[in-house]
Amino acid sequence: GAGVSQSPSNKVTEKGKDVELRCDPISGHTALYWYRQSLGQGLEFLIYFQGNSAPDKSGLPSDRFSAERTGGSVSTLTIQRTQQEDSAVYLCASSLTLSEKLFFGSGTQLSVL
Amino acid sequence: GNSVTQMEGPVTLSEEAFLTINCTYTATGYPSLFWYVQYPGEGLQLLLKATKADDKGSNKGFEATYRKETTSFHLEKGSVQVSDSAVYFCALSPYSGAGSYQLTFGKGTKLSVIP
Repeated sequence: GAGVSQSPSNKVTEKGKDVELRCDPISGHTALYWYRQSLGQGLEFLIYFQGNSAPDKSGLPSDRFSAERTGGSVSTLTIQRTQQEDSAVYLCASSLTLSEKLFFGSGTQLSVL
Repeated sequence: GNSVTQMEGPVTLSEEAFLTINCTYTATGYPSLFWYVQYPGEGLQLLLKATKADDKGSNKGFEATYRKETTSFHLEKGSVQVSDSAVYFCALSPYSGAGSYQLTFGKGTKLSVIP
């Protein structure tokens, strides 16, 4: 597609449920990134992929968070047993390579009730 | 660790006013510095960047100079327009050159420009 696409754009879930957030990067971009934007907190780096590999997972907030990327394209961020503090906008970005400009999607607004 | 501190908003200006959004950083080594902009309903976009000390990034009338001596990267524009209303984020990458992964962002500054 023309840009980075994220789905759903909005997700409301109950505490304790699992959620999956999807990111479709720009075609041909080898690098993919997940960030979290919490109210009043700015953007927090979560994880990046080079191809299908995630060299550094230390940015993930807890072991309830996981991410995968398949076929060097689509990525899924999964949050298990959601908590209210997980409520945030989850942003995905991609770049041609790790040293190129990032292009961001519009994000998924997650609300945990 | 690395950190970015930018002035808190919101900032409200009249059209054609001068804009400054302050940004200071803490980092080891020689980071690259960025300003990103998020227009209402859109994703973040790179506005400008500087990859070494004394570099000036510029785009769409906005400028920022990488000042290593003051660890600052203040964003300026001489005459703002209503269309500049957005949230502006200062960011750094620990990697020199164009590498921009593992960005550390400031909290963002919301700018509203009124006619």
